[in-house]
Amino acid sequence: KQEVTQIPAALSVPEGENLVLNCSFTDSAIYNLQWFRQDPGKGLTSLLLIQSSQREQTSGRLNASLDKSSGRSTLYIAASQPGDSATYLCAVAPGGYQKVTFGTGTKLQVIP
Amino acid sequence: DVKVTQSSRYLVKRTGEKVFLECVQDMDHENMFWYRQDPGLGLRLIYFSYDVKMKEKGDIPEGYSVSREKKERFSLILESASTNQTSMYLCASSLGLAGGSTDTQYFGPGTRLTVL
Repeated sequence: KQEVTQIPAALSVPEGENLVLNCSFTDSAIYNLQWFRQDPGKGLTSLLLIQSSQREQTSGRLNASLDKSSGRSTLYIAASQPGDSATYLCAVAPGGYQKVTFGTGTKLQVIP
Repeated sequence: DVKVTQSSRYLVKRTGEKVFLECVQDMDHENMFWYRQDPGLGLRLIYFSYDVKMKEKGDIPEGYSVSREKKERFSLILESASTNQTSMYLCASSLGLAGGSTDTQYFGPGTRLTVL
């Protein structure tokens, strides 16, 4: 059974700092990995999706990497802003019609 | 833009009531999902559907049922609400062309259900 872990559960950084969020998974037989953002009391918004054949994906100040062999992904946020404050979740898709497994998230606070 | 809407943002029901949570997507997606989200437990899949009239159990289907009579609408039903079903309920949809679990999921805003 796939298990997805995100450590730390919470992170507080000063504005402008570059930061890395971590996601680890136990079964490397994945089809893709996705990073989501969730604002308090809201639904999830997709940020980046990395296919299993890819090493990284970039969107603006966000860069996500994937190392399937070690079961790890990181989300790098450059020059953090208070508006980046949210919970970030990763999700692993095994492919076919098997279900996606979500991590429990890292709650990020960027202090002005 | 994909839009997934849920019928209520907040809902308060009493124990034993039958509760309907509605979800509608406007992008002709094949796949639809219902999750619940609880602190410390993350998102847990309740039911999903890869086609009209089709449904599959997720990790925690007990106490729930679903209906998908039309492609754009996926309903979650709590047959007899209990206090342990107090939670945030999230609906999602995905395109579904490449396989059931491989496409980006688009989420609705969520329904926070309180059962008294």
